[in-house]
Amino acid sequence: TQLLEQSPQFLSIQEGENLTVYCNSSSVFSSLQWYRQEPGEGPVLLVTVVTGGEVKKLKRLTFQFGDARKDSSLHITAAQPGDTGLYLCLKVNTDKLIFGTGTRLQVFP
Amino acid sequence: ETGVTQTPRHLVMGMTNKKSLKCEQHLGHNAMYWYKQSAKKPLELMFVYSLEERVENNSVPSRFSPECPNSSHLFLHLHTLQPEDSALYLCASSQEGTGQFNYGYTFGSGTRLTVV
Repeated sequence: TQLLEQSPQFLSIQEGENLTVYCNSSSVFSSLQWYRQEPGEGPVLLVTVVTGGEVKKLKRLTFQFGDARKDSSLHITAAQPGDTGLYLCLKVNTDKLIFGTGTRLQVFP
Repeated sequence: ETGVTQTPRHLVMGMTNKKSLKCEQHLGHNAMYWYKQSAKKPLELMFVYSLEERVENNSVPSRFSPECPNSSHLFLHLHTLQPEDSALYLCASSQEGTGQFNYGYTFGSGTRLTVV
């Protein structure tokens, strides 16, 4: 079974702090997507990364795709309570889509 | 109305009941999915419909029965469920291209199911 590990599993921080979450696989991705799921809602697509080494920015969020296309990271600068939620990565291959184990983030005011 | 809509938002049912979950998408997408989200487990893909035909069934027990009457609607019929089936059931849609998935999923808000 292919596994897509995310770390850390849980993260509780104060507003204004920076954080990084990771998504790692033992095999190469075609591409990778990051989703955020707020309490009581379904996941919402944040970004798709396709090229090894690619970096994408979405306001205070910076997404990086590893050079070897086996890992990705999401960095949040100056976290806000509105960033609270479950962050999920999705590994995209031509024949399979696999969600990561998730990182649950709580940002306190 | 836009996006993916799921009803009901919450459902409590006994083990001998029969109920159905409904999903509707207004995005013109050509694929629809049912996912199960349990505590402490990754999202589990249950069923995939592409162009209204079922293309994947991930060894889901027969007490879950999907139906896709057209490209905008998806149902999940439930009967004789077990307490361990309690979970958040998410519907999603996507626009499938030529084997690529770069546009991603659009999810509904889910149905929180409790089996008692």
